[in-house]
Amino acid sequence: EDQVTQSPEALRLQEGESSSLNCSYTVSGLRGLFWYRQDPGKGPEFLFTLYSAGEEKEKERLKATLTKKESFLHITAPKPEDSATYLCASRGTGFQKLVFGTGTRLLVSP
Amino acid sequence: EPEVTQTPSHQVTQMGQEVILRCVPISNHLYFYWYRQILGQKVEFLVSFYNNEISEKSEIFDDQFSVERPDGSNFTLKIRSTKLEDSAMYFCASSSTDPGPQHFGDGTRLSIL
Repeated sequence: EDQVTQSPEALRLQEGESSSLNCSYTVSGLRGLFWYRQDPGKGPEFLFTLYSAGEEKEKERLKATLTKKESFLHITAPKPEDSATYLCASRGTGFQKLVFGTGTRLLVSP
Repeated sequence: EPEVTQTPSHQVTQMGQEVILRCVPISNHLYFYWYRQILGQKVEFLVSFYNNEISEKSEIFDDQFSVERPDGSNFTLKIRSTKLEDSAMYFCASSSTDPGPQHFGDGTRLSIL
């Protein structure tokens, strides 16, 4: 069965302190690895899709990378407005469902 | 920017009652989904819908659940006889391609008393 594990569960950073979030996945035939941001009381907001190992995507202070077993979300010089829960989800061959991890709660202090 | 709209934002219902959750997907999208998130837990897949039929469903999506696209803009999730354990945030999502990114609404918080 497809599984997604995210670490750490929670991360506290000072403004400007760069770090990385980890997403380990087990899926038969990856058809997409998705990163979302979720603010309290809101739905997941799409950030990136990665389809194959070695692929990288960037948006502002965020950069997502993908290997055959893991994906990383790198946050460079974060700001307080980057505080949110970051969710990783995989999609396998033959399925339309996304399998989500439990997320990483990021808090960036000024 | 186009977005998925869900109503109501909060629904309180007595156990055993029927409830309908409504969603307006992004207008040119063809694939529609329902997920739920029990407080403090993962987002879980319920069902996907394409070309006016269910294309995939999870074990959670049993006979008490149904989905419908009654017109060209709405997508609904009906729970026939609600149980306490149905209390959760229900998210609707849509995508334009398969396997493209799924775009989520802000959810309906369903509270069963």
